[in-house]
Amino acid sequence: QVQLVESGGGVVQPGRSLRLSCAASGFTFSNYGMHWVRQAPGKGLEWVAVVWYDGINKYYADSVKGRFTISRDNSKNTLYLHMDSLRAEDTAVYYCARALYYDWDYWGQGTLVTVSS
Amino acid sequence: QSALTQPPSASGSPGQSVTISCTGTSSDVGGYNYVSWYQQHPGKAPKLMIYEVSKRPSGVPDRFSGSKSGNTASLTVSGLQAEDEADYYCSSYAGSNNFVFGTGTKVTVL
Repeated sequence: QVQLVESGGGVVQPGRSLRLSCAASGFTFSNYGMHWVRQAPGKGLEWVAVVWYDGINKYYADSVKGRFTISRDNSKNTLYLHMDSLRAEDTAVYYCARALYYDWDYWGQGTLVTVSS
Repeated sequence: QSALTQPPSASGSPGQSVTISCTGTSSDVGGYNYVSWYQQHPGKAPKLMIYEVSKRPSGVPDRFSGSKSGNTASLTVSGLQAEDEADYYCSSYAGSNNFVFGTGTKVTVL
């Protein structure tokens, strides 16, 4: 069955960096686009970034453009999100999600990132 | 990209129906048939309930249905059950590889 397992979250100081990972299994990873979606505590969902199946085409929300980098390693069935210049407003649970065309059909359990001094 | 507008809350008694609206613009909801709905229970990941406006993934009860008219999409839950109590989010493709979510609606089963 499809499984997405995020890791790498934690507490980080403002201005520092962090890398999240999402290990995928149960499907042919290289055939699917993959997204990161985040949810600040007590708030709604916010789309963060997408990398399409080949790892070449990548797109970002304006709120993270220039600071976050999405990537994937199809040989390791793993999705990444490298986050630089972190801000307090980046505090959220970060979910990886598999693309179903322009929707998301499977989600991981999420990993919490807290940006605080 | 502004969030799509949903009512903060909706409620109904068991067996009744509840409909949640999701209002956007011609650049997102009105411009594409890529509106989806997600159910989220507290502390859990979102779950896809409806995609491409009105399609139901395998395993989702047919009590859940979706529709769209102009810039507003809707999710209807018929025959409300206790387990339907959750937060619901709509989302839409917004063109140029941008995606937008709704503000979320808390559904309460009375």
